[in-house]
Amino acid sequence: DTGVSQDPRHKITKRGQNVTFRCDPISEHNRLYWYRQTLGQGPEFLTYFQNEAQLEKSRLLSDRFSAERPKGSFSTLEIQRTEQGDSAMYLCASSPVVGGGTEAFFGQGTRLTVV
Amino acid sequence: TQLLEQSPQFLSIQEGENLTVYCNSSSVFSSLQWYRQEPGEGPVLLVTVVTGGEVKKLKRLTFQFGDARKDSSLHITAAQPGDTGLYLCAGANQAGTALIFGKGTTLSVSS
Repeated sequence: DTGVSQDPRHKITKRGQNVTFRCDPISEHNRLYWYRQTLGQGPEFLTYFQNEAQLEKSRLLSDRFSAERPKGSFSTLEIQRTEQGDSAMYLCASSPVVGGGTEAFFGQGTRLTVV
Repeated sequence: TQLLEQSPQFLSIQEGENLTVYCNSSSVFSSLQWYRQEPGEGPVLLVTVVTGGEVKKLKRLTFQFGDARKDSSLHITAAQPGDTGLYLCAGANQAGTALIFGKGTTLSVSS
């Protein structure tokens, strides 16, 4: 399977704990995105990497959130001191740099539940 | 701020009916994309429309990009239960660094 892979698929954590999610993009894709989606809503942009450089961060991304993409390959999204409001589906997507297009290919997501 | 508004928010129809969902904005987009998402899964790209007035067909799905590149529509002919899902439109922000999504149209097709 050469699609975008996310791990874990589901995560239940207690409020105040830290969690980390991993995303493996399609191998030849330079661009990587993280999105958050709550029930009944479209995905909300969190952050964008081109290769290893984090080029854009949404105001939604509080100081408790940090994302990395070492070596421009896989990426991790860490949430520190989780809150109940962090419960959501976290989606990773990757995109090739073809004519500047932003067609995104999504992983299956990580469903986070904070109890 | 670029926003995409989708309508209707919910649509429940019988198998065999036709339907149209809309994606509108006050901003011009260089392209718009349509995705379909099933519960518990990530969105799957259906089509990208680039040229104003462009029409693309994908089996029973017809996508149109408005002449002014501010809106798009998705028409489904003879809907089937397998068409059930959340339909999302998305466009690139002005910097080209992110996709902005609408809130989606939840379609339910019953047999």
